Amino acid sequence: KAGVTQTPRYLIKTRGQQVTLSCSPISGHRSVSWYQQTPGQGLQFLFEYFSETQRNKGNFPGRFSGRQFSNSRSEMNVSTLELGDSALYLCASTPSGTGHNYGYTFGSGTRLTVV
Amino acid sequence: SQQGEEDPQALSIQEGENATMNCSYKTSINNLQWYRQNSGRGLVHLILIRSNEREKHSGRLRVTLDTSKKSSSLLITASRAADTASYFCAVNSGSRLTFGEGTQLTVNP
Repeated sequence: KAGVTQTPRYLIKTRGQQVTLSCSPISGHRSVSWYQQTPGQGLQFLFEYFSETQRNKGNFPGRFSGRQFSNSRSEMNVSTLELGDSALYLCASTPSGTGHNYGYTFGSGTRLTVV
Repeated sequence: SQQGEEDPQALSIQEGENATMNCSYKTSINNLQWYRQNSGRGLVHLILIRSNEREKHSGRLRVTLDTSKKSSSLLITASRAADTASYFCAVNSGSRLTFGEGTQLTVNP
């Protein structure tokens, strides 16, 4: 079956702009999580959605937001971009979420560069 | 902030040798998982060990978990050049993963 699909793969934006990233999970997976990876901070959890509801949120400013649609596809949005938002953004899906014992399937990521 | 600390940060070995990476964490966990990442691409799930398990095997991988010491280790046996990658441990507590800083493994042909 198809893996987790993230679009676009690469993105270059200017400071102050906003950006929307998309993630299509594996069919049947209802939980979608987002992670930010930077050389300085490593892999950090952004948020997790399950059945269109945000169940968990990491320690990021309100400029970072997301949503999940009824087909489990998810988007994340970053407004008023800063240079420090340059990162690899990874989406991951699992069948359920809390208390499960499944591995996460990650997409290939979106490489965002803010100039 | 990173919960896990991985040791070593970098490891260089010859093909055929074994590679051992260690991970420590701070809180209670549902399970602990290991992932591999090649050159800034997506993460690939390798193996999951539940909090009530002590050891698990998958092919050339062996994972141990010591919840009393809050630590885990990943052993890759008979390493290959294709195993060159970054390896991350991740603790699962609730609906999130908290990752370690990773170990960069280089396997020389």
